[in-house]
Amino acid sequence: GAGVSQSPSNKVTEKGKDVELRCDPISGHTALYWYRQSLGQGLEFLIYFQGNSAPDKSGLPSDRFSAERTGGSVSTLTIQRTQQEDSAVYLCASSPQAGGTTDTQYFGPGTRLTVL
Amino acid sequence: AQTVTQSQPEMSVQEAETVTLSCTYDTSESDYYLFWYKQPPSRQMILVIRQEAYKQQNATENRFSVNFQKAAKSFSLKISDSQLGDAAMYFCAYRSDFGNEKLTFGTGTRLTIIP
Repeated sequence: GAGVSQSPSNKVTEKGKDVELRCDPISGHTALYWYRQSLGQGLEFLIYFQGNSAPDKSGLPSDRFSAERTGGSVSTLTIQRTQQEDSAVYLCASSPQAGGTTDTQYFGPGTRLTVL
Repeated sequence: AQTVTQSQPEMSVQEAETVTLSCTYDTSESDYYLFWYKQPPSRQMILVIRQEAYKQQNATENRFSVNFQKAAKSFSLKISDSQLGDAAMYFCAYRSDFGNEKLTFGTGTRLTIIP
């Protein structure tokens, strides 16, 4: 079946603008994760959804970052008033459920965000 | 907090040879999961292999196998009969089994295959 998809693939924006990044998980996967991959920082966790709720938002770097998930499916990561340090690849992953032996996370191709 | 360390930023291997990528981690937990992911230039993270900490037997997936040493907190990946398509960044990752669902990643090892 279809894997995790993300859009846009690439996004270039000006400092101070807001951006929205979209993630479509694998159908039926209840858990959804956002990670950020930036030079010098490696891969870092941002937020985790179980269904539509977010039990763990501990990785969001500032209040400019927010995310929501609707219908237990699509998720949107919003970055307000973008800064140059927000430039990175934003990866989304989903898993059938959180925890246990069916918890393997499957990743999308990511969105490369460039803030000028 | 858990940490994952990959001490080899870059590795290279001749095609058809065997290479081992190193990973160590630090945790106070006894139950957890370990993963190796591959990231080719397409950026998509692909699961290579996973290991449950409660299993003593090392996981294998075709040409990929791990050497899991729980007491030493070591989790190395062995790639046998290396192929050109194996060229990628390889990330070691840790996941707790106690409700903390996120993956904690190492900094990655870039593997080059020499024809």
